[in-house]
Amino acid sequence: NAGVTQTPKFQVLKTGQSMTLQCAQDMNHNSMYWYRQDPGMGLRLIYYSASEGTTDKGEVPNGYNVSRLNKREFSLRLESAAPSQTSVYFCASSEAAALEAFFGQGTRLTVV
Amino acid sequence: EDQVTQSPEALRLQEGESSSLNCSYTVSGLRGLFWYRQDPGKGPEFLFTLYSAGEEKEKERLKATLTKKESFLHITAPKPEDSATYLCAVQPNSGGSNYKLTFGKGTLLTVNP
Repeated sequence: NAGVTQTPKFQVLKTGQSMTLQCAQDMNHNSMYWYRQDPGMGLRLIYYSASEGTTDKGEVPNGYNVSRLNKREFSLRLESAAPSQTSVYFCASSEAAALEAFFGQGTRLTVV
Repeated sequence: EDQVTQSPEALRLQEGESSSLNCSYTVSGLRGLFWYRQDPGKGPEFLFTLYSAGEEKEKERLKATLTKKESFLHITAPKPEDSATYLCAVQPNSGGSNYKLTFGKGTLLTVNP
């Protein structure tokens, strides 16, 4: 049982490059999330999706786009990476917004 | 604006030495308070959800309690494998925005053998 799977695990980008972080869950959850975690700060929500085709902005959505193509997958896209986007990104899922979330292993992104 | 403050930032214990971690919060109506454990290089792992003042939940050596202003994570006779960062998060009771958890910065717990 894989749970929440994120790819890639590590990535280095140059400023201005684009990339998509992939996330898939096999728990049939409705809600999915993208967070970023920076040293000295708590996890911050980037985007949330309550169901296929719906997304809501979180606390720090600027510079990111998301796609919820189906129930399993929720991708995060950086159109033009900036050094300020250097962070560890976590995808998570839960049955509903009010319930416990299951997190992936994270993607460590460095923008140089 | 919802706020979560965790203390201490770091705590070092000897194996068997019980202690408590604190999570103080301000939120415009609390729907739930979550505790997660995070090991280095891994994603957070769910521990507990508390919904109302006075509620307590236990799991092995951990017990979480909740008041109207703070939550405690009590660790009884800890073992080295309890070493991790413990995260606290609050969920507002605000209808359509209840997915917006506010996380604290965490407490790094180290248990020495």
